[in-house]
Amino acid sequence: EAQVTQNPRYLITVTGKKLTVTCSQNMNHEYMSWYRQDPGLGLRQIYYSMNVEVTDKGDVPEGYKVSRKEKRNFPLILESPSPNQTSLYFCASSWGGGSSYNSPLHFGNGTRLTVT
Amino acid sequence: QKEVEQDPGPLSVPEGAIVSLNCTYSNSAFQYFMWYRQYSRKGPELLMYTYSSGNKEDGRFTAQVDKSSKYISLFIRDSQPSDSATYLCAGGSNYKLTFGKGTLLTVNP
Repeated sequence: EAQVTQNPRYLITVTGKKLTVTCSQNMNHEYMSWYRQDPGLGLRQIYYSMNVEVTDKGDVPEGYKVSRKEKRNFPLILESPSPNQTSLYFCASSWGGGSSYNSPLHFGNGTRLTVT
Repeated sequence: QKEVEQDPGPLSVPEGAIVSLNCTYSNSAFQYFMWYRQYSRKGPELLMYTYSSGNKEDGRFTAQVDKSSKYISLFIRDSQPSDSATYLCAGGSNYKLTFGKGTLLTVNP
C-alpha cells in the first residue's frame, strides 16, 4: 500500500531534550516536506526537499533541522525543543511538490508533539 | 495579509444541504488551486484540483475559481455525514502549496 509513515504518532517531551520524528514513503517520490498544523494558523511548511541531499526552508524553519540522505526518508529534528513547538506535524511526499492532479501531496497521519 | 484566507467556520448543516466553502487569495502567481479534505486524526488528502478559472465538477463536489476576483469555492451537493471533515483550500506555484487555515464542516444526520 502506498503510504507515508510517520513515527511516533504521539510524543511528550521536555524543553531542550533533542528529538527526531521519522518520516518514510514507499512511493519513490522525489519531493518531501514537513508541515506543522496549529489551531487558527492552519498548515505551515517547515522544510522541504526536492531530492536527495537537497533541502530548503519553508515558511517556519526556525528551531528545526532536516536531512535527506535517502530518497525514502526525511526525518525532522528538533535540537532543543521549546513549548512553542507544541503542534501537530505532518510529513508529505509527491512527485512534483503537489503541483498536479496526478501527483498530489500524500500526507502521513501526523505526529502530535507536546513540549513541556 | 495571508496569501490564502479561508472562512474559519465551523459550519454545521443538516444532511442533504448544499454546502459552500470559500477562500480568497492574494498571490497572483498562483497557477493551480486545490481542495484537501482532512478527517479527524488523519492527514489531508486531495479532493479537487483546478488550474483555470471556471467550474470543475466531480460527483457531488464542484470547485470554482475566479482568478479576476481571486476567489476559490467548493460546493458540496446533497451533503452526507461522511462529508464531516476539515476542508483546506490551497494555492500553488513553482512546486509550493500555500494552504488556508481550514474550515471544519459537520453534516448532521
